[in-house]
Amino acid sequence: DVKVTQSSRYLVKRTGEKVFLECVQDMDHENMFWYRQDPGLGLRLIYFSYDVKMKEKGDIPEGYSVSREKKERFSLILESASTNQTSMYLCASSSNRDSAPLHFGNGTRLTVT
Amino acid sequence: DQQVKQNSPSLSVQEGRISILNCDYTNSMFDYFLWYKKYPAEGPTFLISISSIKDKNEDGRFTVFLNKSAKHLSLHIVPSQPGDSAVYFCAASVQGGSEKLVFGKGTKLTVNP
Repeated sequence: DVKVTQSSRYLVKRTGEKVFLECVQDMDHENMFWYRQDPGLGLRLIYFSYDVKMKEKGDIPEGYSVSREKKERFSLILESASTNQTSMYLCASSSNRDSAPLHFGNGTRLTVT
Repeated sequence: DQQVKQNSPSLSVQEGRISILNCDYTNSMFDYFLWYKKYPAEGPTFLISISSIKDKNEDGRFTVFLNKSAKHLSLHIVPSQPGDSAVYFCAASVQGGSEKLVFGKGTKLTVNP
């Protein structure tokens, strides 16, 4: 069974802080993703990576950056957290196989005060 | 512009009855469709998918129907069980690529005992 692990379930940070969200997958998947989920807005893609050190912007990359130094790990960075980044953040991974589904972690609920 | 639409934010069904969740899409290039299920405080889990070369795919109690001419798909759950209570997300992609997965906003299903 694929396991995608997000390091924190809940985080509370102050406005202006630098925030790191960590995600690790154990299935040697090539692709990794960061989404945020907000009520009434569904899942929106922030960034994805299809290989180590490779990254692509998703639909809402502003205010975020990512890092993928190792295949199994994908980090989301909020350079200067703002209150509108309060959200549920979901990491996912998938293989390069055609039509491979995404496997999600359990999410990190981030509150920025 | 919302390419994948789930027009019902919520649905309530009696245990044992059929649940029908609907999804419409606007991009005629979409050729692969998936349904994900999400419980509170957990990440979405893949439920069932369908390729555009088919019009039906069945997996146990879950069946997905695709009407390409109407750009509409639906998920049928029969019989519905209280454990099916969750948020259901419809998603679509072009050429099965997970990096281009577009999600709907979700429908919250409640199955009453």
